[in-house]
Amino acid sequence: NAGVTQTPKFQVLKTGQSMTLQCAQDMNHNSMYWYRQDPGMGLRLIYYSASEGTTDKGEVPNGYNVSRLNKREFSLRLESAAPSQTSVYFCASSEARAGGEQYFGPGTRLTVT
Amino acid sequence: SQQGEEDPQALSIQEGENATMNCSYKTSINNLQWYRQNSGRGLVHLILIRSNEREKHSGRLRVTLDTSKKSSSLLITASRAADTASYFCATDLLSGGGADGLTFGKGTHLIIQP
Repeated sequence: NAGVTQTPKFQVLKTGQSMTLQCAQDMNHNSMYWYRQDPGMGLRLIYYSASEGTTDKGEVPNGYNVSRLNKREFSLRLESAAPSQTSVYFCASSEARAGGEQYFGPGTRLTVT
Repeated sequence: SQQGEEDPQALSIQEGENATMNCSYKTSINNLQWYRQNSGRGLVHLILIRSNEREKHSGRLRVTLDTSKKSSSLLITASRAADTASYFCATDLLSGGGADGLTFGKGTHLIIQP
């Protein structure tokens, strides 16, 4: 039982490049989330998916797109990376749609130069 | 916007002492959660307290919630070196606010000195 897995662990991009962050969970959870964590800012919600086939914007969605590929997988895409997107990205999942305990992946540390 | 704010931002205590950190939030909530983050790792859920609860215990953790003051506290008793981590409070919004997921504070960085 791996829980929530994320790939890659580290990534360096040049401004304007694109990439997709992958997330998968094996707990049969309905809801999945993408957060970013910047120094001194706590975690901020980028996008979430309350169930397979649905996605919604969170607090800071600009510059990102998401895909809920199936119940297990939820990917985050940066179409044209900017230095302001340098951050640590966390994927999480939960059983309940809102307010329940969330299970986090180990994070992806992204640097955009 | 940050819903929760932890206080203090940093706390250093001796092993064996108790550690208390506080969280204040701005709007009505369904529940409040506390998470721990070890350096370079993901967040781990510690405890959830519902808006109709005032106190909850889990092992060496004690959480209180005062909805009239919109505040919560996390007490770790008999601290250990392994408790060194950042601690975050997280809230969901009662009204939903148009977005599910949790709103996190900036965290308290706790250092336990051996």
